[in-house]
Amino acid sequence: KAGVTQTPRYLIKTRGQQVTLSCSPISGHRSVSWYQQTPGQGLQFLFEYFSETQRNKGNFPGRFSGRQFSNSRSEMNVSTLELGDSALYLCASSLGPGSSYEQYFGPGTRLTVT
Amino acid sequence: EDQVTQSPEALRLQEGESSSLNCSYTVSGLRGLFWYRQDPGKGPEFLFTLYSAGEEKEKERLKATLTKKESFLHITAPKPEDSATYLCAVQGFGNEKLTFGTGTRLTIIP
Repeated sequence: KAGVTQTPRYLIKTRGQQVTLSCSPISGHRSVSWYQQTPGQGLQFLFEYFSETQRNKGNFPGRFSGRQFSNSRSEMNVSTLELGDSALYLCASSLGPGSSYEQYFGPGTRLTVT
Repeated sequence: EDQVTQSPEALRLQEGESSSLNCSYTVSGLRGLFWYRQDPGKGPEFLFTLYSAGEEKEKERLKATLTKKESFLHITAPKPEDSATYLCAVQGFGNEKLTFGTGTRLTIIP
């Protein structure tokens, strides 16, 4: 079974621009969560989607948003990029509520803001 | 708010030298405690889920245990390929959010 895939793997953007990252979950998984990983803060939860609905949201500004499509694929968007947004963005998928709770991570998208 | 503290931050061991990594946690209603392994530049790789105090799980040279306040990841006779950062995370009831510790960077010296 194919794992979680994320595109693109690497991105370089300029301050003020916006970016969209994509995540395809494991086949059959309906929940997708997004995390930001930085050397200083570690892994921090951004948001989680299930059945095209955002169920949970972390403590990030409104510049960070996401959505989920009917095929469970998810995108996250960051608008008005800041230097501090440089990070590894990780997507994780799981079966969803009422099922096994293990989350499986993709390889991440490395975003560099200059 | 859920909190996870991992120790030590870094650990260097000789090949074959067994040791343990610690994960202390506070959570209002533990649904599960998760261990992941992360290699540089890659996403975390799932290792174990523990659900209740007293539970133990094993995989090759790794064994994870759980009490009401902490979890241990025991590594027996490690090999250089076990070098990685080991992450602990907790999940409380009612949501999918994982709260992670900052990890233990393990280096096994041949």
